[in-house]
Amino acid sequence: DAMVIQNPRYQVTQFGKPVTLSCSQTLNHNVMYWYQQKSSQAPKLLFHYYDKDFNNEADTPDNFQSRRPNTSFCFLDIRSPGLGDAAMYLCATSREGQQSYEQYFGPGTRLTVT
Amino acid sequence: GQQLNQSPQSMFIQEGEDVSMNCTSSSIFNTWLWYKQEPGEGPVLLIALYKAGELTSNGRLTAQFGITRKDSFLNISASIPSDVGIYFCAGAGGKLIFGQGTELSVKP
Repeated sequence: DAMVIQNPRYQVTQFGKPVTLSCSQTLNHNVMYWYQQKSSQAPKLLFHYYDKDFNNEADTPDNFQSRRPNTSFCFLDIRSPGLGDAAMYLCATSREGQQSYEQYFGPGTRLTVT
Repeated sequence: GQQLNQSPQSMFIQEGEDVSMNCTSSSIFNTWLWYKQEPGEGPVLLIALYKAGELTSNGRLTAQFGITRKDSFLNISASIPSDVGIYFCAGAGGKLIFGQGTELSVKP
């Protein structure tokens, strides 16, 4: 089945220790998104890619970076995680155009910062 | 910025009951979507609405795109225990704007 895969599902990192979360997709969608979701809140968009074109949200901290080496893979790098970065990180994909609003989410990576 | 007001925040119902939740906004949206998120999982797209007035069903779920383009509702008929989760509305205005979610609990 075509899907969005996120690894790992659970990640524990230390305060200030860089961490990378990964996402892959078999849907062949050209748009990929990273969201942050804190407990009992709605997902918050961090950035997205149209193909290799990177689009950062204005309020996304510089501490968060992303890489998309090819259509299938996208990475979220947190350079110096703080306690406030503990959250669920969701990857999503979509086609472009009007169908870009039909986003397909992965299962998420729950990040704990100790 | 654009905001969505989703209500109710939570619902506790008996199995078999019908459920209704809605989203309103002061802004116009061209697309409304409804997602369901189960604990520890990512949101799953339930229904997408593209035209004002559109009424769309997906099994026991029915959603409508309000005529004013500023609201949408989701109905679930004859609820079952596996309907438990958080339901998010989302309006499309350049990017997806999510409501705060409605947490649904179903008592068998």
